[in-house]
Order: sequence, then structure tokens, then C-alpha cells
Amino acid sequence: DIQLTQSPSSLSASVGDRVTITCRSSQYISKYLNWYQQKGGKGPKLLIYDASSLQSGVPSRFSGSGSGTDFTLTIISLQPEDFATYYCQQSYSTPFTFGPGTKVDI
Amino acid sequence: EVQLVESGGGLVHPGGSLRLSCEASGFVLSSHWMHWVRQSPGKGLVWLSRSSPDGSRTVYADSVKGRFTISRDNAKKTLYLQMNSLRPDDTAEYYCVRDADFGRAFDIWGQGTLVSVSS
Repeated sequence: DIQLTQSPSSLSASVGDRVTITCRSSQYISKYLNWYQQKGGKGPKLLIYDASSLQSGVPSRFSGSGSGTDFTLTIISLQPEDFATYYCQQSYSTPFTFGPGTKVDI
Repeated sequence: EVQLVESGGGLVHPGGSLRLSCEASGFVLSSHWMHWVRQSPGKGLVWLSRSSPDGSRTVYADSVKGRFTISRDNAKKTLYLQMNSLRPDDTAEYYCVRDADFGRAFDIWGQGTLVSVSS
């Protein structure tokens, strides 16, 4: 199975900060890396797909980059509604594994 | 509105069974691959299974293979997860998830249904 690691596991930030979360895959996964946001025990929300494509309706302050094994989610100018947990997920091969998550709080 | 609504969760004893349902609305279920994903309390997300649009092709995570069965009734707009031989470590929120028709990503998630396995 493909393992995903995320760093940091948690971070404290302020409104207006630039936040960067990294995701590393144990194997080559091309561009097939997605990012999700989860708040308050609700179902996750897709933010970024195929490493760098912004999902419809997601604010442009979110962006993704990377390919192969190393990926990054960046949030420029963090907003109050962005405090949440962020997960990466590989869709290169089954089982479609998720990273352990990064909690972004104040 | 595009929506997935899960039901069927609850408390079950170890070794017992449950069937989860997921009703789709606002889109054509038969056009999409569908998945089940779970999240244990306070833990991360774990992909469990996927079904091809016509239900003929299925894949399972090793942790549930042989115990869980994914199926669908496209006419009823419903995805199912039959769970047998349940164990305490199956306790989790279970999400029904739609595969996007662009790329390979999970673009619509249900609100989840909680399954608790305990004696």
C-alpha cells in the first residue's frame, strides 16, 4: 500500500498568515494527489485535485503543487473559516490512502 | 442540490451485521464510481471500498475484505454497504462518497452515519 505522510501534524496560525502543508508519498503517484478540508466532524470537502487543480467554488487563496512523491498545499492569507483539519489523499492506486491530517488552529 | 444521505448506522454487538444505505440525489448515480470511507473517533480517514457505475466491479481494503460488501441499486439511487462479522475496531463514522467525473477525486461526501460495535 502507498503510505502518505503529512507535515506538520498541527500548526498554530493567525488570520492573514500564509500556511504551507506538505504531503509525501512512499511511492511515485504522478499527479494523483488530492487535498481535503474537514471541519467539526462533517464530511470532508474537496479543495484540490490532481495535485494542483482548484475544485469549483473553492477560494483562490488555496493552491496545490507537486508531482511524483512530494506535494504541497498552500493557503495564502488564512481566513477564520480555514481553521480545520487538512488531509491529502492519493488516487493513483487502490487502496486509496489518506495522510494522517494536519490540524490548523489559532 | 447534489447530495448523499447515509443511514443505517447504530449500535451492534461484536460479530453482528449492519447494512448501511446511501441515497443519492441531484445527480445520476449510474454515471459515477462510488466509495465508502470511514473515520474512527478522533482518527483519520480510511478508504474501504469502491463500486463501478454498474456495480459489476468492486474493490476492497484488506481490513474489510471478506466481511463487507458494497452494492448498489441505481434505479433506487442507492448505494449500500453490507457489514458482517463486525469488530470493535469497526466503530467509526461511515461516509458515502462520489467519485468526480473529472480527475480521480472524491467530490461529494455524505454527512456520515455512526456505527458503534460494542458488547
